[in-house]
Amino acid sequence: AQTVTQSQPEMSVQEAETVTLSCTYDTSESDYYLFWYKQPPSRQMILVIRQEAYKQQNATENRFSVNFQKAAKSFSLKISDSQLGDAAMYFCAYRSPPNSGYALNFGKGTSLLVTP
Amino acid sequence: NAGVTQTPKFQVLKTGQSMTLQCAQDMNHNSMYWYRQDPGMGLRLIYYSASEGTTDKGEVPNGYNVSRLNKREFSLRLESAAPSQTSVYFCASSPAGGQNIYEQYFGPGTRLTVT
Repeated sequence: AQTVTQSQPEMSVQEAETVTLSCTYDTSESDYYLFWYKQPPSRQMILVIRQEAYKQQNATENRFSVNFQKAAKSFSLKISDSQLGDAAMYFCAYRSPPNSGYALNFGKGTSLLVTP
Repeated sequence: NAGVTQTPKFQVLKTGQSMTLQCAQDMNHNSMYWYRQDPGMGLRLIYYSASEGTTDKGEVPNGYNVSRLNKREFSLRLESAAPSQTSVYFCASSPAGGQNIYEQYFGPGTRLTVT
């Protein structure tokens, strides 16, 4: 089974600064997909960004970007110009192969605190 | 367009009671999923349904049953609730898999407490 590891239970960043959340994963697949989800206190799961493993270019979505290192099996999330509304739990997720229904394997999450 | 809806939002059960969590999606998605979220554990897959008429076990299926009633609805049943099933339950849906990077859309979650 694929495993996803987020080694930072908590992170803190000042408003307007940049923060990077780490994620590593283990897989024997060559083609796969990776996601970052945000979970604010409302509990709603919100997709932040996605990455296809066959694409060498790192995905970006406005202030959010990833550093995808396929050989190292690393998929970190960078948040630039942090805002108070970015405070949330962030989950890294790996999409499993067809024989597991394309379900998501989640890391344990990183709690991000944003200070004024 | 409501997306993925779940009922109820909160529930308290006594040990041994049974209940069904309801989930429905209005996006015409093929695949549906049930996850549970425990503190410090992230989300873990309980059951999934790749298409109407099929269901399969995930990582933590013990103590649960599911029904894919039709393409829209996917319910999760606890036959005899145990305190270890105290958790937040999320339903999710997705158009399909394959070469398209379809995201999963999540419902708002159900907080279940078993005393």
